[in-house]
Amino acid sequence: DVKVTQSSRYLVKRTGEKVFLECVQDMDHENMFWYRQDPGLGLRLIYFSYDVKMKEKGDIPEGYSVSREKKERFSLILESASTNQTSMYLCASSLLIYEQYFGPGTRLTVT
Amino acid sequence: EDQVTQSPEALRLQEGESSSLNCSYTVSGLRGLFWYRQDPGKGPEFLFTLYSAGEEKEKERLKATLTKKESFLHITAPKPEDSATYLCAVQTSNDYKLSFGAGTTVTVRA
Repeated sequence: DVKVTQSSRYLVKRTGEKVFLECVQDMDHENMFWYRQDPGLGLRLIYFSYDVKMKEKGDIPEGYSVSREKKERFSLILESASTNQTSMYLCASSLLIYEQYFGPGTRLTVT
Repeated sequence: EDQVTQSPEALRLQEGESSSLNCSYTVSGLRGLFWYRQDPGKGPEFLFTLYSAGEEKEKERLKATLTKKESFLHITAPKPEDSATYLCAVQTSNDYKLSFGAGTTVTVRA
């Protein structure tokens, strides 16, 4: 079974803090993705990576950056957290073009 | 721009009452259509991939079908444990990315 883990289930941060969300997958997948999920807006892609040190912007990259130094690990960084970044953050991985497998999610609250 | 529309937004069923969820899509060059199940506070769980019109996949009480413009997820004789939000997503031939619909929240009462 594919396993995607995320570093925290719940996180509370203050406005202006730098926030790191970590994601690890154990299936040697090439592709990794970061989404945010908000009521009424569904899942929206922030960034994805198709190889180590390679990244591409998704639909809503503003205010975020990513890092992929190792194949199994993909980090999402909020350089200066703002209240409108309060959301559920979901990481996923996939083998090439095939189905994506999701982690349990991190519910981030920025106060 | 790819568009994925799911209907209805919410569905309340009695245990044993079969029903269908719809996912209609407008994309140029469909590579695959994916169904996921999501429980509250958790990440989506992969259910099925469909690649071509006429294809069907089954898993327990769930059956997914695909036409050129839409997909259906049929729930046969549902049980309370089938209560969840069901998400549909499409992938085009040019991309790794998925475009998700807003989901259908299914509630099955005992």
